[in-house]
Amino acid sequence: AQRVTQPEKLLSVFKGAPVELKCNYSYSGSPELFWYVQYSRQRLQLLLRHISRESIKGFTADLNKGETSFHLKKPFAQEEDSAMYYCALKSGSARQLTFGSGTQLTVLP
Amino acid sequence: NAGVTQTPKFQVLKTGQSMTLQCAQDMNHEYMSWYRQDPGMGLRLIHYSVGAGITDQGEVPNGYNVSRSTTEDFPLRLLSAAPSQTSVYFCASSYGQKLFFGSGTQLSVL
Repeated sequence: AQRVTQPEKLLSVFKGAPVELKCNYSYSGSPELFWYVQYSRQRLQLLLRHISRESIKGFTADLNKGETSFHLKKPFAQEEDSAMYYCALKSGSARQLTFGSGTQLTVLP
Repeated sequence: NAGVTQTPKFQVLKTGQSMTLQCAQDMNHEYMSWYRQDPGMGLRLIHYSVGAGITDQGEVPNGYNVSRSTTEDFPLRLLSAAPSQTSVYFCASSYGQKLFFGSGTQLSVL
């Protein structure tokens, strides 16, 4: 069975500092990984997906199949990045996602 | 486009009461799903549907029923509410790989 692990429940960094939100997964097949974000009083929304290899709001994430990781990174955190971040895994042809437990990021001024 | 609309936003129930959480989407998405969000546990899939007339169980289906009579609507029913069902519930619909979420229903069962 697939599993997504986000080891940090809470993460605080200062504005301008680099930030990395960790995500590890277990899945025997070829995974598709996503990061979803929930800002305060807003809906959960897609931030980025690994197949797009895109940078959204300065965030990037690289799929490392050897380490089974999909860490989210940003070189210079901003206060508006404060939010709950969820890593999610889509397995095979199924549409449903398996979510991690989430990391609450706080960027301090 | 309203996207995914959930009602109500808040609800308090007594143990044993029944209720239906409503979810509607106006994007003509075939796939819809219900998640519950609990502290430290992330989002867990309750039920999902790949189209009208087709539903299936997710990770935590016990105590919940769903139906999908139309493409637009995917209600979630609690037949006999229990305190363990206190949670925030999210409905989502999907186009391709992207999930679109509703704003959530905060449910408390006393």
